[in-house]
Amino acid sequence: QVKLVQSGAELKKPGSSVKVSCKASGGIFSNHGITWVRQAPGQGLEWVGEIFPIFDTTQYAQRFQGRVTITADKSTSTAYMELSSLISEDTAMYYCARDLCGGSSCQWFDPWGQGTLVTVSS
Amino acid sequence: EIVLTQSPATLSLSPGERATLSCRASQSVSSYLAWYQQKPGQAPRLLIYDTSNRATGIPVRFSGGGSGTDFTLTISSLEPEDFAVYYCQQRSNWPLTFGGGTKVEIK
Repeated sequence: QVKLVQSGAELKKPGSSVKVSCKASGGIFSNHGITWVRQAPGQGLEWVGEIFPIFDTTQYAQRFQGRVTITADKSTSTAYMELSSLISEDTAMYYCARDLCGGSSCQWFDPWGQGTLVTVSS
Repeated sequence: EIVLTQSPATLSLSPGERATLSCRASQSVSSYLAWYQQKPGQAPRLLIYDTSNRATGIPVRFSGGGSGTDFTLTISSLEPEDFAVYYCQQRSNWPLTFGGGTKVEIK
């Protein structure tokens, strides 16, 4: 049974960067894409980007291009999302989730990590 | 970007009643639509993918249908644990997008 465990809550100042980790246990890490989705307080879900470790390729939502970097360390089965030039509007819960399909991407997501709250405040 | 519009925003029903949730896409997404359930303080959970396929462990009272631009999630008989927020998601075009959610609350 695959489980995703994310790093703890972060408090960051505007203009700084944050790096959130997502460690997978169970299953074959490299075979499945890992996507990142965020949820502002009381709001809906917003796709940030994804990585396919087996191909070392990434896709990012255009609105985050240039500010987000998603990486994966296959040796530790851990994915990372780094977001730079933080503003207050980046305050949100950030979730990682695994692509349902192995070997190829189907972009349905299950399971999800528990979420990491990133708060941006001066 | 494909916009997904969910309706109603809130659905007030009693346990045992049937719930029908709608998701409308701004352009065709073929059958590339999924539904997720999110309970307070929890991460979303995949319920349905490719319009009508139930994810592993999802009860048969959850069913999905539709195609093109109009989709529905039906819960045949609401159980107490089904009161939550439901989101649709499309994977037809980049970027992946989610609907704004429908909250199913106890009447």
